[in-house]
Amino acid sequence: GAVVSQHPSRVICKSGTSVKIECRSLDFQATTMFWYRQFPKKSLMLMATSNEGSKATYEQGVEKDKFLINHASLTLSTLTVTSAHPEDSSFYICSATTPGGPSYEQYFGPGTRLTVT
Amino acid sequence: AQSVTQPDIHITVSEGASLELRCNYSYGATPYLFWYVQSPGQGLQLLLKYFSGDTLVQGIKGFEAEFKRSQSSFNLRKPSVHWSDAAEYFCAVAPGGSYIPTFGRGTSLIVHP
Repeated sequence: GAVVSQHPSRVICKSGTSVKIECRSLDFQATTMFWYRQFPKKSLMLMATSNEGSKATYEQGVEKDKFLINHASLTLSTLTVTSAHPEDSSFYICSATTPGGPSYEQYFGPGTRLTVT
Repeated sequence: AQSVTQPDIHITVSEGASLELRCNYSYGATPYLFWYVQSPGQGLQLLLKYFSGDTLVQGIKGFEAEFKRSQSSFNLRKPSVHWSDAAEYFCAVAPGGSYIPTFGRGTSLIVHP
């Protein structure tokens, strides 16, 4: 149980375009989802915390107008990278917690590799 | 703010050999400590966690970790490594269970046959 999927697993887009990444909890309802960014040989950097039905809480230094997060249902959160630039190329990972579950008990998706050309 | 250091970027071991991955943290009080594993194409999975009590904690897949307050360390160990253990390992620290962990940069484990 507690499986999280991400789609797509890889995406290449042109500079200036927008790209959407989906994160789904397959067998549980996720009231809270998290979005991370992972650079090569770097730790996971928390970008934002997303609660179903409310606005996401962004970490300091993360541009909320560039990284749009929508958590419209208990099983789906989306991250849209708007007007993408090559420096946005990275590995994006989402995770989710079960209702009432502690924040450390996160179930992670397999990640999405974004390449902006 | 808390921080976590994993000093080894890569570790190479032979299958069947023992393993120790290092993790040091910086935090004023005793933090909550975690080890996660990230296999290729899969999400991070929680291996084990320490909150309080016995400083030697057992996790899944035969892993264990020991909390040493005097050294601010939480090293991960396994007595005999299997080829399937090849993955990226992340140490993480949080002030409490309600807080989102801060992750180290990870250690890549390479297993030779």
